[in-house]
Amino acid sequence: DIQMTQSPSSLSASVGDRVTITCQASQDISNYLNWYQQKPGKAPKLLIYDASNLETGVPSRFSGSGSGTDFTFTISSLQPEDIATYYCQQYDNLPPLFTFGPGTKVDIK
Amino acid sequence: QVQLVESGGGLVKPGGSLRLSCAASGFTFSDYYMSWIRQAPGKGLEWVSYISSSGSTIYYADSVKGRFTISRDNAKNSLYLQMNSLRAEDTAVYYCARRSGRFDPWGQGTLVTVSS
Repeated sequence: DIQMTQSPSSLSASVGDRVTITCQASQDISNYLNWYQQKPGKAPKLLIYDASNLETGVPSRFSGSGSGTDFTFTISSLQPEDIATYYCQQYDNLPPLFTFGPGTKVDIK
Repeated sequence: QVQLVESGGGLVKPGGSLRLSCAASGFTFSDYYMSWIRQAPGKGLEWVSYISSSGSTIYYADSVKGRFTISRDNAKNSLYLQMNSLRAEDTAVYYCARRSGRFDPWGQGTLVTVSS
């Protein structure tokens, strides 16, 4: 099975800072990688799909990149409403298997 | 707008059963794969199962295979998860989500607690 790791597990940054989260897959997953935001007490929300595609309606300060085993999620200018836990998720269709990373909790300093 | 609303969660004893429902609106339900994903209290996300748009293709995570059954009623725009032989480790918020592969959107979730 493919394992997903994320780093850091948590971070604290100031409003306006650039925030970067990395996600690593245990084997090549091409670009089959999505990113979600989960605010406290709420359901996750899709932000980025297929590694680098911004979901409709998601602010452009969010971006994703990478392919193969190494991926990056970036918030270009952290806003107070971005306080959340961010998860990466890979998908594999043969057989279907969808694995989430352990999450990165983002706080305001 | 696209909306998913789960129901059916609650407290159940180990070994018991529960049936979750997910009511969909705002999109053509019969065109989409649907999934169940769960989150144990204070933990991360775990995909549970998905079902194809027609219901002909179904997959489960190993952790629930043989105990959980996913189904759908396209005439009622509804998704279901029948959970049998429940264990303490099945305690979680259960979310339904549109699609497989990338999950979007998600419902608000329903809490299942397995405890004696």
